Amino acid sequence: SQTIHQWPATLVQPVGSPLSLECTVEGTSNPNLYWYRQAAGRGLQLLFYSVGIGQISSEVPQNLSASRPQDRQFILSSKKLLLSDSGFYLCAWNQGVSQETQYFGPGTRLLVL
Amino acid sequence: AQKITQTQPGMFVQEKEAVTLDCTYDTSDQSYGLFWYKQPSSGEMIFLIYQGSYDEQNATEGRYSLNFQKARKSANLVISASQLGDSAMYFCAMTFNYGQNFVFGPGTRLSVLP
Repeated sequence: SQTIHQWPATLVQPVGSPLSLECTVEGTSNPNLYWYRQAAGRGLQLLFYSVGIGQISSEVPQNLSASRPQDRQFILSSKKLLLSDSGFYLCAWNQGVSQETQYFGPGTRLLVL
Repeated sequence: AQKITQTQPGMFVQEKEAVTLDCTYDTSDQSYGLFWYKQPSSGEMIFLIYQGSYDEQNATEGRYSLNFQKARKSANLVISASQLGDSAMYFCAMTFNYGQNFVFGPGTRLSVLP
């Protein structure tokens, strides 16, 4: 069966510091991968998605970036965090079949101080 | 542009009763998928139910059913026999861009009362 992991689970970072969040999927190959951000009490905002190694599409211009160095690894990064980057970051995957469900990881809670 | 509307920010239901969570959507696509997810306080997003735009019958999954009214562009979630563990945020979502991307509604917080 497929599983999706995210780490760290919780992160507290000062403004201006760098960021690296990691997401990995097990039990499948060539998945579509997604990064979402959820502000407190709000819905999900799609940040990036990837249909393959090195292929990244950005949905929202901001100081975040994403990379996919391996088939089942998706990384969310920032060179300098802003206060507004605080939130709950969720990684998701599916197989890329039309209208297919996305399956989510456990999420990372980021607090920027 | 695709948009999901959930007009109920919060809902209360008595344990063992049924509850309907509203969802309306806007899209010009003919082929799309509609989904409901549950998010408990732990934060994980749990997939509940799926309805394809060409499906003629309403989807059902255990105590969850989806009341799909295509002409009205609504996809309401019905939870029968509510349980205390059903207390959570519920998000309606749809696919677009040939199923590559999702758009989520703002969510409804359901509280089940004992």
